[in-house]
Amino acid sequence: QVQLVQSGDEVKKPGSSVKVSCKSSGGTFSSDTITWVRQAPGQGLEWMGRITPILGSAKKAQKFQGRVTLTADDSTRTAYMELNSLRSEDTAVYWCAREVGGDPNWFDPWGQGTRVTVSS
Amino acid sequence: QSVLTQPPSVSGAPGQRVTISCTGSSSNIGADYDVHWYQQVPGSAPKLLIYVNNNRPSGVPDRFSGSKSGTSASLAITGLQAEDEADYYCQSYDDRLSGSVFGGGTKLTVL
Repeated sequence: QVQLVQSGDEVKKPGSSVKVSCKSSGGTFSSDTITWVRQAPGQGLEWMGRITPILGSAKKAQKFQGRVTLTADDSTRTAYMELNSLRSEDTAVYWCAREVGGDPNWFDPWGQGTRVTVSS
Repeated sequence: QSVLTQPPSVSGAPGQRVTISCTGSSSNIGADYDVHWYQQVPGSAPKLLIYVNNNRPSGVPDRFSGSKSGTSASLAITGLQAEDEADYYCQSYDDRLSGSVFGGGTKLTVL
């Protein structure tokens, strides 16, 4: 049974960066694909990108190209999402989830979420 | 503006049946990509409800069912219960965006 545990809530200044971690237990991790989704207050879900550790490659949503970095550390079974040049519109809850095979993959399970607040 | 369009809200009385639509286009659902559905209780992470159009994960009641046709998909909930009150999201893939996409979400109110 895969479980994903994310790092704690963050408060950041505009223009700074935030790095959220997602630690996996159970499953194989290196061959899993971890996806990142965010939800601004009162808004819907927004897919940000995915990474498959064993491939060492990440795919990012067009909207976040150049601003988000997705990495994974196989030794600690942890995936990371770093978002830079933060602005107030990036205030949101950020989730990681495991992708499961389909066309496209579905997301299950999800982490508990990390709230990122961007405020001066 | 979501690529997949859902009604902002639906409602029904306990015991009734409701459906939630998810309308796409030829670059996503119409391109024969699968549709998945999630249930999100406010303050919690989304939970997988339906995968690959009409499959229920273990533990999801058979009151929930999904279907897909052409450029649209639907989630049906029968025998509405108070605990079904939540937000529901569809998810698929879009060729033009080259990535996964979500619907805007539908708030279900049980009257």
